[in-house]
Amino acid sequence: AQSVTQLDSQVPVFEEAPVELRCNYSSSVSVYLFWYVQYPNQGLQLLLKYLSGSTLVKGINGFEAEFNKSQTSFHLRKPSVHISDTAEYFCAVSGGGSYIPTFGRGTSLIVHP
Amino acid sequence: DAGITQSPRHKVTETGTPVTLRCHQTENHRYMYWYRQDPGHGLRLIHYSYGVKDTDKGEVSDGYSVSRSKTEDFLLTLESATSSQTSVYFCAITGSRGDTDTQYFGPGTRLTVL
Repeated sequence: AQSVTQLDSQVPVFEEAPVELRCNYSSSVSVYLFWYVQYPNQGLQLLLKYLSGSTLVKGINGFEAEFNKSQTSFHLRKPSVHISDTAEYFCAVSGGGSYIPTFGRGTSLIVHP
Repeated sequence: DAGITQSPRHKVTETGTPVTLRCHQTENHRYMYWYRQDPGHGLRLIHYSYGVKDTDKGEVSDGYSVSRSKTEDFLLTLESATSSQTSVYFCAITGSRGDTDTQYFGPGTRLTVL
């Protein structure tokens, strides 16, 4: 069985400040890890994913995430956020031959001017 | 763009009425999924399909049924809607060759059951 914990339900931050959204997972097999973003009244869009190889993954809109196997984490970071980054962010994990990911409960990123 | 559309996009219905939501994809993907999204719960899998007429239950399947008679269409039916089924419903597909580990989502259907 696999599970995902997003440690913060809401993260407020000022524009141009750095941000980190935290994600921890548990799984008994090797994993694939994902971050999705959901803008208001829209579906989820893939932000980035880790399948194998380099533990630092770069995604769209200047976001990056680092896979840390020893800490079972996959935190999302951005060095300088914009108002337009205000959205809901979901971490997800899949693996062990299953195509079906398990999603975290989401983190609402709120960027203030 | 994974070519996924959902219909209707919004629906208001009354308790006890049947409701069918449609997911349509244009790219011949084998796997299709239905999720519901509720505040504080993230996305929860209702049912999924791995081919025409091949479906299986997810973690919150009670009160829902699905059908897939064509590759491109995956229907979600609430036989007798209840207020607890008020939610936003998302359809997803798994990417094609070389991208089969990633899900892509439709725009969602907002369902209100009065």
